[in-house]
Amino acid sequence: AQSVSQHNHHVILSEAASLELGCNYSYGGTVNLFWYVQYPGQHLQLLLKYFSGDPLVKGIKGFEAEFIKSKFSFNLRKPSVQWSDTAEYFCAVRFVDFGNEKLTFGTGTRLTIIP
Amino acid sequence: NAGVTQTPKFQVLKTGQSMTLQCAQDMNHEYMSWYRQDPGMGLRLIHYSVGAGITDQGEVPNGYNVSRSTTEDFPLRLLSAAPSQTSVYFCASSSMTGAVYYEQYFGPGTRLTVT
Repeated sequence: AQSVSQHNHHVILSEAASLELGCNYSYGGTVNLFWYVQYPGQHLQLLLKYFSGDPLVKGIKGFEAEFIKSKFSFNLRKPSVQWSDTAEYFCAVRFVDFGNEKLTFGTGTRLTIIP
Repeated sequence: NAGVTQTPKFQVLKTGQSMTLQCAQDMNHEYMSWYRQDPGMGLRLIHYSVGAGITDQGEVPNGYNVSRSTTEDFPLRLLSAAPSQTSVYFCASSSMTGAVYYEQYFGPGTRLTVT
């Protein structure tokens, strides 16, 4: 079965540090890629998405992600984090070639920013 | 637009009781889905639907039923609640056409405890 891996379970950074959260998936075919964020006590919100074209995509709140097909990866980055970025981050993949509409989520990365 | 709404926000059930979690969306989205969120396991797909009258199983369907009689509503039924179903449940919807296809919008969640 197709799978999505987020190897960083909990990341702790100081404000202004740079951030990179890893996301890898198991299949080399056509994929749609997403990063969602869940702030404490809130529901999931879309940060950014990649369907095709430029593999470097920019999202909201200064986040960006790079699709590297050869590495089956879609890592999330932010050059300078803020305390308000404290949240849980989920990578999600739609495996297009399997002809279904389902999203498969990673297990999430909890990000804690220390003021 | 209200987006995706879920009721109730919180629920406590005794083992063996049944109940229905309600989900509605007002965006005319074709695709609707139910996830459960458990610590360290991310979001797991329970059931999904690509339109009225069409439903299918996700990753963890056992113990749950769904139906989709209208585009707007997608209730999730717990047939006989078990402590293993203690979780936070999220409903999500997305369009399957246009520029934002497969961008999922999430509801606020229902926190369910089964004792």
